[in-house]
Amino acid sequence: KNEVEQSPQNLTAQEGEFITINCSYSVGISALHWLQQHPGGGIVSLFMLSSGKKKHGRLIATINIQEKHSSLHITASHPRDSAVYICAVSVPNTGNQFYFGTGTSLTVIP
Amino acid sequence: KAGVTQTPRYLIKTRGQQVTLSCSPISGHRSVSWYQQTPGQGLQFLFEYFSETQRNKGNFPGRFSGRQFSNSRSEMNVSTLELGDSALYLCASSLVPGIFDTQYFGPGTRLTVL
Repeated sequence: KNEVEQSPQNLTAQEGEFITINCSYSVGISALHWLQQHPGGGIVSLFMLSSGKKKHGRLIATINIQEKHSSLHITASHPRDSAVYICAVSVPNTGNQFYFGTGTSLTVIP
Repeated sequence: KAGVTQTPRYLIKTRGQQVTLSCSPISGHRSVSWYQQTPGQGLQFLFEYFSETQRNKGNFPGRFSGRQFSNSRSEMNVSTLELGDSALYLCASSLVPGIFDTQYFGPGTRLTVL
């Protein structure tokens, strides 16, 4: 049983489409993180959320604490958005342990 | 400022051998964390070091160990390699430990166990 589940696993979109990636978790959390991993391995932190909604450029992340669910939206998708998107949660009282989803592989076609 | 560097980038070993991976953090960063990434399990936290002390450890067997030196460089060691240890091993550094969103990740070391 995974503490963090993501969907979909793979996603192909046409350039310009609106994209949604979902993340559900089953543990109490102190924060939820969205990460982006490009081919080659490097990981970049996109958002850290503990409530509500955050926006950065074309990226929007939301979290519903009661439903234990978060979404990452990409508006006007572009081929450079092609990457793996990973949801991670930090769990309190565990020395800041992190649990990760298995990732969503996004391909945006020109 | 140079980013996080990991050496080697690629490594092939056979079952039963041991391996040591190295991570040099960003200058000034004293916290180093290690992660394992596999296609089936995704990312998993291995351990976190700060000022040469292990602060946090994930759920991995004792074959996985690490250390941090006084210059903040870190090494991780895997003994008695198993096929399932084939993975991308990622290192991340930060100024302050336990703050995931301020971590800077290295490119990783891809380990293949035959």
